[in-house]
Amino acid sequence: GQNIDQPTEMTATEGAIVQINCTYQTSGFNGLFWYQQHAGEAPTFLSYNVLDGLEEKGRFSSFLSRSKGYSYLLLKELQMKDSASYLCAAMDSNYQLIWGAGTKLIIKP
Amino acid sequence: NAGVTQTPKFRVLKTGQSMTLLCAQDMNHEYMYWYRQDPGMGLRLIHYSVGEGTTAKGEVPDGYNVSRLKKQNFLLGLESAAPSQTSVYFCASTPGLAGAPGELFFGEGSRLTVL
Repeated sequence: GQNIDQPTEMTATEGAIVQINCTYQTSGFNGLFWYQQHAGEAPTFLSYNVLDGLEEKGRFSSFLSRSKGYSYLLLKELQMKDSASYLCAAMDSNYQLIWGAGTKLIIKP
Repeated sequence: NAGVTQTPKFRVLKTGQSMTLLCAQDMNHEYMYWYRQDPGMGLRLIHYSVGEGTTAKGEVPDGYNVSRLKKQNFLLGLESAAPSQTSVYFCASTPGLAGAPGELFFGEGSRLTVL
């Protein structure tokens, strides 16, 4: 079956760095996506990886290893506004997104 | 600069009632989706459309129907609401499969409670 695994909750300190891991199993693969979702709001797109390696976008970076079925989202210089849920999603061979349940990130001062 | 707009934002229904959720996008996107989001679970695809006049079933289509008569609108209907359909519903759209095919643009969500 198709499956996405990511931690349910993580806690980090303002100004620090946090890495949110995601492992996936899909029928075929057409990319790995990360979304941010603040409580009570809609998800918003953060990043897309289809090739192995690191994609950097400001304070956020996303890494992909296709051979390991693994990705991580790295958040640097954490700010209080980064408190949110982070959703990992993999796109299968039918171009359907398979979503993880999300990682709730709590930032403490 | 509306993007994706969902109406209504909140609704309370009694078991057995029917209702329609409307999704409208002004970005000329081909693909549109309806998802539901429940606590502790990932987004689950209900139905989707790859263009005007087309619809297809997603992961959890039972109890729902959809229509895409106009490119900009995607309607989700509940014919006979059940408490299990209490959820937050998100509409999303994307231009198509070019570029980042999974870069979805979401509406604000519609919170539905079925008593």
